[in-house]
Amino acid sequence: KQEVTQIPAALSVPEGENLVLNCSFTDSAIYNLQWFRQDPGKGLTSLLLIQSSQREQTSGRLNASLDKSSGRSTLYIAASQPGDSATYLCAAEGYYGGSQGNLIFGKGTKLSVKP
Amino acid sequence: ETGVTQTPRHLVMGMTNKKSLKCEQHLGHNAMYWYKQSAKKPLELMFVYSLEERVENNSVPSRFSPECPNSSHLFLHLHTLQPEDSALYLCASSQDVSAGGYNEQFFGPGTRLTVL
Repeated sequence: KQEVTQIPAALSVPEGENLVLNCSFTDSAIYNLQWFRQDPGKGLTSLLLIQSSQREQTSGRLNASLDKSSGRSTLYIAASQPGDSATYLCAAEGYYGGSQGNLIFGKGTKLSVKP
Repeated sequence: ETGVTQTPRHLVMGMTNKKSLKCEQHLGHNAMYWYKQSAKKPLELMFVYSLEERVENNSVPSRFSPECPNSSHLFLHLHTLQPEDSALYLCASSQDVSAGGYNEQFFGPGTRLTVL
């Protein structure tokens, strides 16, 4: 059974700092690893998707890496801004429960960037 | 805007009420999903539809009844819910459910449900 864990549960940093969010998963047989952002009371916004054959993906100030062998992914945010404050979720997609395309989510890391 | 809309955004209902949640996607996708997000728990997949056929039901109680009349619309019919069913219900869509490695899901804003 796939389990996704995110550490830390909450993080507070001053503006301008570079930071790393961690995600680990127990079953390395994944199709891809996805990072999402969720603002309070809102839905999810997809940030980056790393396919199982890839090592990393970049979008602007965001860089996500994937190490299947160790069951880890990291989301690197450069030069953090107050607007980055949100909950960041990672999710592993695989063949779970007899069905393809199931996303298994972590509980998220709540990020607060102080001006 | 992700191209996935949900109505209503907020819903308060009694345990004996019957209500429905609606989701619509404008992305031309073939797959649609219902998720439940409870406080302090990870997002949980409830139902998956592909081309209007249900392909996954994650042991969800029968008081939740999904309906997918076409590939653009998805409903979640609710009846005789319990207070512990209070949560944020999220709808998502993707091009399809086949896992070719790239299957990005796009989420709606969710419906905040409170059961009294």
